[in-house]
Amino acid sequence: EADIYQTPRYLVIGTGKKITLECSQTMGHDKMYWYQQDPGMELHLIHYSYGVNSTEKGDLSSESTVSRIRTEHFPLTLESARPSHTSQYLCASSAGTIEKLFFGSGTQLSVL
Amino acid sequence: DQQVKQNSPSLSVQEGRISILNCDYTNSMFDYFLWYKKYPAEGPTFLISISSIKDKNEDGRFTVFLNKSAKHLSLHIVPSQPGDSAVYFCAANSGGSNYKLTFGKGTLLTVNP
Repeated sequence: EADIYQTPRYLVIGTGKKITLECSQTMGHDKMYWYQQDPGMELHLIHYSYGVNSTEKGDLSSESTVSRIRTEHFPLTLESARPSHTSQYLCASSAGTIEKLFFGSGTQLSVL
Repeated sequence: DQQVKQNSPSLSVQEGRISILNCDYTNSMFDYFLWYKKYPAEGPTFLISISSIKDKNEDGRFTVFLNKSAKHLSLHIVPSQPGDSAVYFCAANSGGSNYKLTFGKGTLLTVNP
């Protein structure tokens, strides 16, 4: 069973606030990802990491930043939240060459 | 430009009948395809996958068919159960050193008792 955890599950915050979405996995996976999804839309890759101290931007431009200081931890930060950042953020991890991503339960972010 | 398309936003079937979910892709470099299932307020979970060297993969009630010439794949669920009601995402990967997935918009399947 996959063990990947995201906190918080829901976050309502005012414009201009700095936020960090947490993601941790206990499987020792080297690859981790952040996807963003709006209702009825595709999951869009916004950040990924293939290992410690390795981070890359994904296919969808995002104002968020990520860090990968430890294998198990891949937090996402928004320095100044805006209403356009309202979305669901899904963290995932995988191991091996062929992707079978294990997803966390997601963080539903609402910026007022 | 969408590279993975799921043109049916929703599908409703009766319990015990077959559910067929469709997916089309445009990128010829895709060589591995996956289906994910997502319940509300949860993350997607992996369901079944197929490599481009195959045209069919079966796992219990779930079968995925791949038609490379048509750039089309489909997921068959037989028999459908109410617990199958969820959003189903089609995803594709181009392999090699590319470890990223491209997702479709999903199809909401409702299985009625």
